[in-house]
Amino acid sequence: DIVMTQTPLSSPVTLGQPASISCRSSQSLEHSNGNTYLSWLQKRPGQPPRLLIYKISNRLSGVPDRFSGSGAGTDFTLKISRVEAEDVGVYYCVQATQFPYTFGQGTKLEIK
Amino acid sequence: QVQLQESGPGLVKPSETLSLTCTVSGGSLSSSGYYWGWVRQPPGKGLEWLGSFSSGGRTYYSPSLETRITIPVDTSKNQFSLKLTSVTAADTAVYYCARHYCTGGNCYGLGGSWGQGTLVTVSS
Repeated sequence: DIVMTQTPLSSPVTLGQPASISCRSSQSLEHSNGNTYLSWLQKRPGQPPRLLIYKISNRLSGVPDRFSGSGAGTDFTLKISRVEAEDVGVYYCVQATQFPYTFGQGTKLEIK
Repeated sequence: QVQLQESGPGLVKPSETLSLTCTVSGGSLSSSGYYWGWVRQPPGKGLEWLGSFSSGGRTYYSPSLETRITIPVDTSKNQFSLKLTSVTAADTAVYYCARHYCTGGNCYGLGGSWGQGTLVTVSS
């Protein structure tokens, strides 16, 4: 199985400041078809997960452009350019390059 | 806009079988090119993928559960289910059904649409 490791596990951020979450996979997530199936999900308490970004850097329709994803191979990053109060929650990276799909442990974003 | 809704008992006894149903509306399980699946989140813990199936009939399960899990599909009712046998307290979780995100003829993993989730507690 591919192991996904996120850092940090907790990220206190001041409103309006940037935030960055790192995700590392135990092996390359590049599929033989050339795609890299790395997504980022946001999880708020009491709500289902919300897909923010797929295929490393593609924002889903309706996701604010302050969210961006980058990376390649085994190292990926989610950045929030200016954190807003509604961004509080837990962020997960997840790989879908091969079954079984695996999630990172989650990074809790909170406001200082 | 496809919608998913989980249903089933909120309390299951240890050693019994957990059974949940996901009812799909606004879309068809028979539509080609889509994947559907189950994810859970134990209290205070992270997300865990349980299993997925394709509209073409292929099914994939988490290796840690594959001796206990099945995902039956009833296309006539536009429903799919989760059956998890021999449950223990470790199976207590919020269970979500989901459709994978697919666009341009490709699917990119979990998250296109989600049910609201249902809490299942395993306790005697």
